[in-house]
Amino acid sequence: GIQVEQSPPDLILQEGANSTLRCNFSDSVNNLQWFHQNPWGQLINLFYIPSGTKQNGRLSATTVATERYSLLYISSSQTTDSGVYFCAARWDSGTYKYIFGTGTRLKVLA
Amino acid sequence: KAGVTQTPRYLIKTRGQQVTLSCSPISGHRSVSWYQQTPGQGLQFLFEYFSETQRNKGNFPGRFSGRQFSNSRSEMNVSTLELGDSALYLCASSLLADRGSYEQYFGPGTRLTVT
Repeated sequence: GIQVEQSPPDLILQEGANSTLRCNFSDSVNNLQWFHQNPWGQLINLFYIPSGTKQNGRLSATTVATERYSLLYISSSQTTDSGVYFCAARWDSGTYKYIFGTGTRLKVLA
Repeated sequence: KAGVTQTPRYLIKTRGQQVTLSCSPISGHRSVSWYQQTPGQGLQFLFEYFSETQRNKGNFPGRFSGRQFSNSRSEMNVSTLELGDSALYLCASSLLADRGSYEQYFGPGTRLTVT
């Protein structure tokens, strides 16, 4: 079936460092989202980015749909960036559902 | 606009009981999806409703069911609870926008513990 893979599974950074999280998907997508899950379980929308590049403050994302991957960049990381980052992809081929990756667990040390 | 709300936030049930969880989507959103999150299986799709119709269902047993009302609020029900049903249940609402864009917004979740 359709798969979404994220790497790395775990990441530890010093405060101020930059990082790149990757999301690979096995088929064409027309919807892709990045989320940050906080310690209380809330999924916070970061980007809706089926293609192209977007930036929001210290975060930016790029999706290359033809090559089936998306990247999330975190610059000048802060301890509040800690948590789990998920990408989710959806194929509008009649299945009407998002498939989530297994997540990248990020820990930023002070 | 108010976000997606879920009730209750926490729930403890005994094996064999049934449970009903509620989700109110963002005003104007007609699609509601449900997900189960466990440490072992990650985030798994349960089902999606659009205009009171179930459009898709994930790979879960028939003990898991749901419905959507005319005001787009949704409920999911789990009957004959098992220990493995302990999980965070997340609800998401979506607005089908231009050119098929379908951004999801999640509620805070209901944490269910089955003892």
